[in-house]
Amino acid sequence: AQSVTQPDIHITVSEGASLELRCNYSYGATPYLFWYVQSPGQGLQLLLKYFSGDTLVQGIKGFEAEFKRSQSSFNLRKPSVHWSDAAEYFCAATAGNNRKLIWGLGTSLAVNP
Amino acid sequence: ETGVTQSPTHLIKTRGQQVTLRCSSQSGHNTVSWYQQALGQGPQFIFQYYREEENGRGNFPPRFSGLQFPNYSSELNVNALELDDSALYLCASSSPQGATKNIQYFGAGTRLSVL
Repeated sequence: AQSVTQPDIHITVSEGASLELRCNYSYGATPYLFWYVQSPGQGLQLLLKYFSGDTLVQGIKGFEAEFKRSQSSFNLRKPSVHWSDAAEYFCAATAGNNRKLIWGLGTSLAVNP
Repeated sequence: ETGVTQSPTHLIKTRGQQVTLRCSSQSGHNTVSWYQQALGQGPQFIFQYYREEENGRGNFPPRFSGLQFPNYSSELNVNALELDDSALYLCASSSPQGATKNIQYFGAGTRLSVL
């Protein structure tokens, strides 16, 4: 069955520290991969996406993600976290023409001053 | 901020009642998807509408139904509400072609509480 796994439910980092949020997928073929961010009471904002090509993708707000086929992973990174980055982060995937997004359970990010 | 708007923002209903949630898609998008997000969970796909036809459905019972209108706006209807229907309902619009192909843009959601 198709699935997306985010192993870390909650992460706390200090402001200015680097960040890596993990995402693993299980699909028959390489899916389209996405990272979204959700602030309290808000909808989901797209941070970045991977469809094909360069495996390191750049997104908004200084985020980047690296697709690794051998590890079935699509980890999100940021070199220096800001307090405003505190939010819930979701990894999602969809395969081919099936536009249904399958989601991980999310990682809640807290940022200490 | 996306051009996807949802109404109402919040809603309180009692068990057994019926509810209608509304979504206006982003300009140029002819596909609307609905998701249910329970507290502390990731969104779950309910169904998708493309050009006024249902184009895929998740594991939700028939009391969850939808419509898409000629202007591509959409409604989600839930009959015989149950306590477990309490959740954030998210609408996303997308286009099957163009530079934003296969990208879903989300509204802020409707928070439904069933008492």
